[in-house]
Amino acid sequence: QSALTQPASVSGSPGQSVTISCTGTRSLNLVSWYQQHPGKAPKLMIYDVTKRPSGVSNRFSGFQSGHTASLTISGLQAEDEADYYCCSFAPTGTSWLFGGGTKVTVL
Amino acid sequence: QITLKESGPTLVKPTQTLTLTCTFSGFSLSTSGVGVGWIRQAPGKALEWLALIYWDDDKRYTPSLQSRLTITMDTSKNQVVLAMTNMDPVDTATYFCAHLTFAYRYYDFWGQGIRVTVSS
Repeated sequence: QSALTQPASVSGSPGQSVTISCTGTRSLNLVSWYQQHPGKAPKLMIYDVTKRPSGVSNRFSGFQSGHTASLTISGLQAEDEADYYCCSFAPTGTSWLFGGGTKVTVL
Repeated sequence: QITLKESGPTLVKPTQTLTLTCTFSGFSLSTSGVGVGWIRQAPGKALEWLALIYWDDDKRYTPSLQSRLTITMDTSKNQVVLAMTNMDPVDTATYFCAHLTFAYRYYDFWGQGIRVTVSS
């Protein structure tokens, strides 16, 4: 079982907002979020908790409070339907942890 | 433009050693602040981080598999190699290599992945 816990699935209608949580058993560090469409490689969406790489829509935003980080997708679009993974640099500073993944469904 | 591509066998037998190569372009592993990592994904499962090598040849491994993993780099060939010993059917997965930006420890460019099946 992953040390980072995410809900298995979330869903929303087009235009709505959804939020995915990522809870760690210890403090989260340098959290990043990845989007993965079926059969594709993951794509970086958020790094350092809140920062967006160039080219990523501002509909994606990140937040962290204590042991929980979250990814919010605003103005949900059909293309946002994918799996999303949080990732934290382990407190030991020697490894990375991925969450169990959340499937986002656009109704 | 940074690109990475994984190569290696797509079928290995139990107990064999898997050797995967990540060939990259658009950056040099001699440059400070860069790393290349390996991440795998079993069918229908979550991503699992395996190993990373930094520009200074510092290496990191996931604790649960550390005894089976070896990561090396060849800067002249722009390649990173991951070896995993004693393969088991549970190691069947798609293996990705990815570029790491050290400052914030994120993986910003990924290879397409290589599907490896472990079966006799």
